[in-house]
Parts: sequence; C-alpha cells; structure tokens
Amino acid sequence: AQSVTQLGSHVSVSEGALVLLRCNYSSSVPPYLFWYVQYPNQGLQLLLKYTSAATLVKGINGFEAEFKKSETSFHLTKPSAHMSDAAEYFCAVSGSGATNKLIFGTGTLLAVQP
Amino acid sequence: DGGITQSPKYLFRKEGQNVTLSCEQNLNHDAMYWYRQDPGQGLRLIYYSQIVNDFQKGDIAEGYSVSREKKESFPLTVTSAQKNPTAFYLCASRSGYDGYTFGSGTRLTVV
Repeated sequence: AQSVTQLGSHVSVSEGALVLLRCNYSSSVPPYLFWYVQYPNQGLQLLLKYTSAATLVKGINGFEAEFKKSETSFHLTKPSAHMSDAAEYFCAVSGSGATNKLIFGTGTLLAVQP
Repeated sequence: DGGITQSPKYLFRKEGQNVTLSCEQNLNHDAMYWYRQDPGQGLRLIYYSQIVNDFQKGDIAEGYSVSREKKESFPLTVTSAQKNPTAFYLCASRSGYDGYTFGSGTRLTVV
C-alpha cells in the first residue's frame, strides 16, 4: 500500500523568502514521487518527478525536491518565493508501472505575502 | 498540441438528473483516470481504465459510471444516486513514467 502525508495544509511566506513544502510517503515498493501545482479552477500541472535516478530533482519555475529514502521524504523547496507561486501544491506517489495510479496528498495551499 | 480536453467547464445539474462529463485525450495514453476534488480533501479516485473496454472502481465509485469504448475517450456519468455531486472533477491520463497529464476540470453544481 502507498500513501502520502503533506504536513501543513496552509503555508504563508514573504516574497523573496524560502519556500519549503513538506511531503512524507509510505510505499512497499520503490516509489515514484511527484509534485504538482494547481491554480484556482484549473487542472494540475507537473512541477517535477523522482523516478529512481538522481535524488535531487529540479523542476519548473525554480522548484526542486530531494528524495531522502532514510527519512521517507520528498520535500519541495524554492530559494526565493514570488507572488506568482501562490497556489495549491500536491505531492503524489506511485509504483513504477507505466499505468499505476497516483496516490495524492491532501494538498498545501501556499500564500505569498508582499 | 497534445493534451486532455474536458467539457463542459461548468455544469449545472438538477436534483434526480444524470449528467455526463466528457474527457478526450490525443496523447495516445493507455490509462485514464477520474478524480473528484473537494476543498481540504485532496483528490479522490472515482474510476480508472488501463485499457480500452476495461475499467475499475476507485475509492468513491458509488453514484458514478464510466465507459471506455475508445482509447481517446473516458466519459464520466454522475447519476441521480450520487447524493452530493457538487465538486470539481478532474480527468487525467498516463503513459510511461511521467506521471499524469490533467485536463482543466469540470465544476459541477447541483441547483
């Protein structure tokens, strides 16, 4: 069985500050891990993915995440927040099969204060 | 450009009425999924299909039905048995190891 826990349903940062969104996973098989972003009334857009290659993954819009097996974590970071980063962020886990379904966390709503 | 098209963007349903949400993809993906999104609850899986003419129930399939007659299409019907259908519905597809590609969603409201 697989699951994802996102710590903090709401996170608020100042513009220019570090963004840290936390994700811990549970998986009985080697996991594939994903971060998605959702803007209001839109679908989800893939930010980055971990598929068993490099543990530090770089994504779009300056985001990156590090896979830490010992901590079962895949936290999302960005060095300097921008107003346009305000959105909801979802972490997801799946097995390695090409058609395996993704299991999503409950999301973290990021607010960026001017 | 390849992608997933969901229609309509907004849909209103009367009590006791069945409605069908459309999902079409031109990505040649084998697997397709329907999720329901409610505030604070993340995404919950309704149905999924890994191949044409086959589909499986997800975590909250009661009150919903699907079909997969063509690889490109995976429509979702919200039946009158679904007592609380007001939500944002997302369709997605997957092939390979790149995660899901999502449509832009349909917001269903009961009036």
